[in-house]
Amino acid sequence: KAGVTQTPRYLIKTRGQQVTLSCSPISGHRSVSWYQQTPGQGLQFLFEYFSETQRNKGNFPGRFSGRQFSNSRSEMNVSTLELGDSALYLCASSALAGVPPTDTQYFGPGTRLTVL
Amino acid sequence: DQQVKQNSPSLSVQEGRISILNCDYTNSMFDYFLWYKKYPAEGPTFLISISSIKDKNEDGRFTVFLNKSAKHLSLHIVPSQPGDSAVYFCAANTGSARQLTFGSGTQLTVLP
Repeated sequence: KAGVTQTPRYLIKTRGQQVTLSCSPISGHRSVSWYQQTPGQGLQFLFEYFSETQRNKGNFPGRFSGRQFSNSRSEMNVSTLELGDSALYLCASSALAGVPPTDTQYFGPGTRLTVL
Repeated sequence: DQQVKQNSPSLSVQEGRISILNCDYTNSMFDYFLWYKKYPAEGPTFLISISSIKDKNEDGRFTVFLNKSAKHLSLHIVPSQPGDSAVYFCAANTGSARQLTFGSGTQLTVLP
């Protein structure tokens, strides 16, 4: 079974621009979560999508948004980029097999975003 | 406020010996804990997990122990191998939200 895929793997943007990152979950997985990793803040949760609905959101400004499509693929958008948005953006998928969530989140390789 | 803490940023162990990585948490609502291994510029790779209703889970060379009263969990790797060298993150989840809270990571180096 193919793992979580993320495109593009690397991006360079300038301040003020916007960017869209894409994530394809493991086949059959319906939940997609996004995380940001930076040297200063570590790994931080951005948001989770299930059945095209945002179920949970972390403590990030409204410039960070996302969506999920009917095939469970997800995109994340960052508008008006700032230097501090430079980070590794990770997507994780899970099967959503049960509640409480004892299903595991599996991560993709990430998209390295550099803002100049 | 860091809800999940890994107080040791690095750990060096001789090949064949036991590696013990520690993690403390403050939120008593956490009910599911996971360990991930990460190489630079890659996504975290799932290693092992434990539910709060258990105190031990074993998978091959990896064992996770959970002490709820102390709000402490640990990952034991026996025997340690050079290929285990990576950053290890503990993570916790609460209730019905799939929102992992991560520790800051511990760099494990296994010396041949």
